[in-house]
Amino acid sequence: DVKVTQSSRYLVKRTGEKVFLECVQDMDHENMFWYRQDPGLGLRLIYFSYDVKMKEKGDIPEGYSVSREKKERFSLILESASTNQTSMYLCASSSRVGRDTIYFGEGSWLTVV
Amino acid sequence: AQSVTQPDIHITVSEGASLELRCNYSYGATPYLFWYVQSPGQGLQLLLKYFSGDTLVQGIKGFEAEFKRSQSSFNLRKPSVHWSDAAEYFCAVARKRSNDYKLSFGAGTTVTVRA
Repeated sequence: DVKVTQSSRYLVKRTGEKVFLECVQDMDHENMFWYRQDPGLGLRLIYFSYDVKMKEKGDIPEGYSVSREKKERFSLILESASTNQTSMYLCASSSRVGRDTIYFGEGSWLTVV
Repeated sequence: AQSVTQPDIHITVSEGASLELRCNYSYGATPYLFWYVQSPGQGLQLLLKYFSGDTLVQGIKGFEAEFKRSQSSFNLRKPSVHWSDAAEYFCAVARKRSNDYKLSFGAGTTVTVRA
């Protein structure tokens, strides 16, 4: 069974802290994504990666960075967390074979106080 | 730019009744279309997808969706709803970028099922 694992389900961080959200997939997928989910806004793409050490900005990259040092792992970094980054963060992955299903993790709930 | 609109924020339906969730998209070409479901506290699960061919697509859990190019719509339907169908539903559109695909999502429709 396919698996996208987000290491932290619930986090509470202080304003200004550096935050790491980790995501691991076990399907040997080339593509990995970070989305942010907010009520009434659906899912918005923050960053995505098509290969190791490769990254591209999504629709709302401001305030975020990412790291992909290994194929199976894609990290989202909040350099200096702010209260408006309180949200649900979803990691996803897919094969590079076109039209493949995108598989999602269970999400990380981040609260910045 | 592409966009996805789900006009209904919240729908309440009785168990056993039929359900239809609306999705409209704007895109310069024939898109790849998806419906995902999210149960409370969970990630997203793919219900069905449309790439080409037959415009009526069957998915898991008894759901189906119909692609109507003339209306730029991809509405999701289920003939008889079960209490376990209470969830949030997202329509998504994929745009091709070189050999890969990025999904854009609608804002979601929350479905409540009453006994």
